[in-house]
Amino acid sequence: KQEVTQIPAALSVPEGENLVLNCSFTDSAIYNLQWFRQDPGKGLTSLLLIQSSQREQTSGRLNASLDKSSGRSTLYIAASQPGDSATYLCAVRHGNEKLTFGTGTRLTIIP
Amino acid sequence: DGGITQSPKYLFRKEGQNVTLSCEQNLNHDAMYWYRQDPGQGLRLIYYSQIVNDFQKGDIAEGYSVSREKKESFPLTVTSAQKNPTAFYLCASSITGGSGEQFFGPGTRLTVL
Repeated sequence: KQEVTQIPAALSVPEGENLVLNCSFTDSAIYNLQWFRQDPGKGLTSLLLIQSSQREQTSGRLNASLDKSSGRSTLYIAASQPGDSATYLCAVRHGNEKLTFGTGTRLTIIP
Repeated sequence: DGGITQSPKYLFRKEGQNVTLSCEQNLNHDAMYWYRQDPGQGLRLIYYSQIVNDFQKGDIAEGYSVSREKKESFPLTVTSAQKNPTAFYLCASSITGGSGEQFFGPGTRLTVL
């Protein structure tokens, strides 16, 4: 059974710093990996999706990498801003369309 | 505007009652999903449907029921058999095949009184 882990559970960094969020998974037979952002009491917003054949994807200040063989993905946020404060979730997709989610990292950017 | 809507935003239920959560999408997606989110836990899949009039159980289907009579709609009923229904419920949709990128609605918070 696939297990997805995100460590740390919470992270605080000063505004302007670059930061990396981690996601690890136990079964490397994935179809793709998706990173989401969730604000308190809200739904999930899709940030980036990396196909299993890709190594990385970029969108603005965000860069996600995927190392399928080691079961790891990272989300890099450049020049952090207070508006980046949220919970970040990763999810891996298997061939049957189902997603398995990690428990998330709660990010706080300190002004 | 294309998107997913969920209603109501907040729902209160007395013990022993069934309640139905609404999910509608106008993205022309074939697949729809229901997840439950509890504090400190990842999202867990309740039910999913890849085509009209067909749906499959997810990891925690006990105490829940769904229907998929229209492509745009995937309502979730929380029955009295669900032992601990207080949670945040999220609906999602995606195209079948392709990247399978899932898009989420704003959620419904259900509280049992």
